[in-house]
Amino acid sequence: KAGVTQTPRYLIKTRGQQVTLSCSPISGHRSVSWYQQTPGQGLQFLFEYFSETQRNKGNFPGRFSGRQFSNSRSEMNVSTLELGDSALYLCASSLGGRGPTDTQYFGPGTRLTVL
Amino acid sequence: AQRVTQPEKLLSVFKGAPVELKCNYSYSGSPELFWYVQYSRQRLQLLLRHISRESIKGFTADLNKGETSFHLKKPFAQEEDSAMYYCALVLAQGGSEKLVFGKGTKLTVNP
Repeated sequence: KAGVTQTPRYLIKTRGQQVTLSCSPISGHRSVSWYQQTPGQGLQFLFEYFSETQRNKGNFPGRFSGRQFSNSRSEMNVSTLELGDSALYLCASSLGGRGPTDTQYFGPGTRLTVL
Repeated sequence: AQRVTQPEKLLSVFKGAPVELKCNYSYSGSPELFWYVQYSRQRLQLLLRHISRESIKGFTADLNKGETSFHLKKPFAQEEDSAMYYCALVLAQGGSEKLVFGKGTKLTVNP
């Protein structure tokens, strides 16, 4: 099976702009989770989508949002970008039945740089 | 509050030596704990979970509720074990569940 794919792999934006990241899960996986990874804070959970609904949510501001489509592909949007949003954004897919307890299969990440 | 603590950012051992990567957690409920690993130029992947009590690639991890620890151990380290290791806890909070990761330990196994 093909692994989790994320596009684009690299992005450079300026403060105030918005950005959309995409994640295609492993075929048959119905859950997609998003994580932010920074040197200071490490890996932090953003949210999880399952069957097109946000099932779980982390502690990020409303500027971070997401959605999931009927084919389980997911997008994450960050509006009004701040310098501190520079990070590696990881997407993980899982079968979905047991939320974060399911084995998470991670993508390669999208490296976002905000100037 | 830090839920998962990995006290060592870096750990270096020689091939054939025992290795222990420490993980401490704070959680009032019944914890579900995992070790994830990221080898060089590879993706983050699950190594093992406490509930299955299995040994993967020679690694084991025992949940010690009294000490709130979930240390990862291997009796004889191999060079291919060099990687970044993350301990993770499923945290139920405010109606949501999420995987909370420690900051990670970079293990280097020297020849």
